[in-house]
Amino acid sequence: DAGITQSPRHKVTETGTPVTLRCHQTENHRYMYWYRQDPGHGLRLIHYSYGVKDTDKGEVSDGYSVSRSKTEDFLLTLESATSSQTSVYFCAISEGDQPQHFGDGTRLSIL
Amino acid sequence: KQEVTQIPAALSVPEGENLVLNCSFTDSAIYNLQWFRQDPGKGLTSLLLIQSSQREQTSGRLNASLDKSSGRSTLYIAASQPGDSATYLCAVLTMDSNYQLIWGAGTKLIIKP
Repeated sequence: DAGITQSPRHKVTETGTPVTLRCHQTENHRYMYWYRQDPGHGLRLIHYSYGVKDTDKGEVSDGYSVSRSKTEDFLLTLESATSSQTSVYFCAISEGDQPQHFGDGTRLSIL
Repeated sequence: KQEVTQIPAALSVPEGENLVLNCSFTDSAIYNLQWFRQDPGKGLTSLLLIQSSQREQTSGRLNASLDKSSGRSTLYIAASQPGDSATYLCAVLTMDSNYQLIWGAGTKLIIKP
């Protein structure tokens, strides 16, 4: 399995608090992605990175920010969490047009 | 804008049957098409990747085909087993997407013992 670690695996927090999710890879892949998965919506891309300090928005980026200061780490931040951001968050990595490899996900509940 | 559709949304078959899952896409300008499997509560696992120049790929009991001109791919599972029960997703890598995948909603497959 590709070396991808997401942390935390589960988190419960309150509306209005900041939340940071971490994705760590040991594969030295250039591309990293953050998705959310919700019933009825499937997988939706939040943000992605194509190199250190190079990031871009995905389909559902409002309310989220990302940072990538090192090749191996990609952070997703919810500046002020809302209940609509309750979801399962997946990180993925790839080398260009090669298969994406996924982490095990973070289940985030915002009360 | 590329759209990916998977039909059916759910499928239940007895163990041992051969089955076909369908994926269609609207724009033929793709780098590749990828099939994934997702078990409940887990991340996605890559099954097969078909480059745009290829017609099919095989891995064990799985065979994926690609007809770019008609915007269709099929995932064929031979001699299905209860362990094949999962959600299967297809995704396309389009040429204007900066390596972003466009995803179908998935087919939930249940193999009955």
